Amino acid sequence: EAGVAQSPRYKIIEKRQSVAFWCNPISGHATLYWYQQILGQGPKLLIQFQNNGVVDDSQLPKDRFSAERLKGVDSTLKIQPAKLEDSAVYLCASSSKGYYTDTQYFGPGTRLTVL
Amino acid sequence: AQSVAQPEDQVNVAEGNPLTVKCTYSVSGNPYLFWYVQYPNRGLQFLLKYITGDNLVKGSYGFEAEFNKSQTSFHLKKPSALVSDSALYFCAVRAYNFNKFYFGSGTKLNVKP
Repeated sequence: EAGVAQSPRYKIIEKRQSVAFWCNPISGHATLYWYQQILGQGPKLLIQFQNNGVVDDSQLPKDRFSAERLKGVDSTLKIQPAKLEDSAVYLCASSSKGYYTDTQYFGPGTRLTVL
Repeated sequence: AQSVAQPEDQVNVAEGNPLTVKCTYSVSGNPYLFWYVQYPNRGLQFLLKYITGDNLVKGSYGFEAEFNKSQTSFHLKKPSALVSDSALYFCAVRAYNFNKFYFGSGTKLNVKP
């Protein structure tokens, strides 16, 4: 079974530029998550999708971050404009149904450096 | 409020010795507890989870964890450490009927030959 795919793996941009990350979850998984992991910290949930609907985006900085999951499969996370504090690893995860007991499976992450 | 604490930033152990990585939690209601491992430049890999039932949970790569409700702990253990176990370990909690997954800050495990 193929895992969660993410691209790009690394991205370096200047502050105030825009950037987009892509995630392809495990086939058949209804729930998709985006996390931000700042160096030395645990992942923090940014947004959760159930199929193509948003379940939770309470910690997403909506003035600069946006995410979509068209057709309930792939997802993109965008930052516009980027700030220095956005430097982090952005992790995508998926789970089969989104139940509280479900295991989340993570992709390799995208390491973003904002200069 | 839901939270997870990993009180040790780093744990050092010699190969062949038992290891313990500590985790305590705070949730309203019954907790669902998870352990993940992260190797350099890779995503998190699932090790094990506690949902209900037997307090001792066995997982991947010989790891196990014990749920202790009275101490609100879910410590990760392995009887005999390997050098290849050296990595960053994260504990996470989710409460029943509460959507978010809360991660601890991580514990770096160093296993020396």
